[in-house]
Amino acid sequence: ETGVTQTPRHLVMGMTNKKSLKCEQHLGHNAMYWYKQSAKKPLELMFVYSLEERVENNSVPSRFSPECPNSSHLFLHLHTLQPEDSALYLCASSQDFNPGVLSYEQYFGPGTRLTVT
Amino acid sequence: DQQVKQNSPSLSVQEGRISILNCDYTNSMFDYFLWYKKYPAEGPTFLISISSIKDKNEDGRFTVFLNKSAKHLSLHIVPSQPGDSAVYFCAAILTDKLIFGTGTRLQVFP
Repeated sequence: ETGVTQTPRHLVMGMTNKKSLKCEQHLGHNAMYWYKQSAKKPLELMFVYSLEERVENNSVPSRFSPECPNSSHLFLHLHTLQPEDSALYLCASSQDFNPGVLSYEQYFGPGTRLTVT
Repeated sequence: DQQVKQNSPSLSVQEGRISILNCDYTNSMFDYFLWYKKYPAEGPTFLISISSIKDKNEDGRFTVFLNKSAKHLSLHIVPSQPGDSAVYFCAAILTDKLIFGTGTRLQVFP
């Protein structure tokens, strides 16, 4: 595997379910990101991890819970979601993350298409 | 309020001609601007960038122009090829945030 991979690619879940999205990067990068893309809206940054520590949390509801056990893996744990949370969730990585000088060469995974019923 | 705007949701261009994708922004403090390209079922891939202190950056068939006074950014692709058909996202960096536009779908036809 090369680049950034995400599993599952598609997920349908009920509002009472608990599920997790997984992201893995094979690039030796130190920073990883979660983005949300809703229909006809720009990509929204949700979380940033640098060297396994969370450095950014953009006012994301607590029903989304990220976890970064090591620099290659990133999870997004989901519980009691709402239908409006249905979106494409993209993971990305970059070599480093320096506040003030964002490493802009971010490499994206293919995304997980989430549908909440 | 969107800080990065791509007002054209789609663009259709004949193969061999120039494709011009436009982007407007509202915040004069942006440090860098970037273009990403996205094929269906794939994540966005970084294409080209430009620093806010420059007005042009060229990489092969791709050239990005920055007009700071107009707060306008454009991506030129010449000559356009069918493989360029994709969604193109404009993005801007403000300190530690990457802010995306909504994308423009480019279709290059033979």
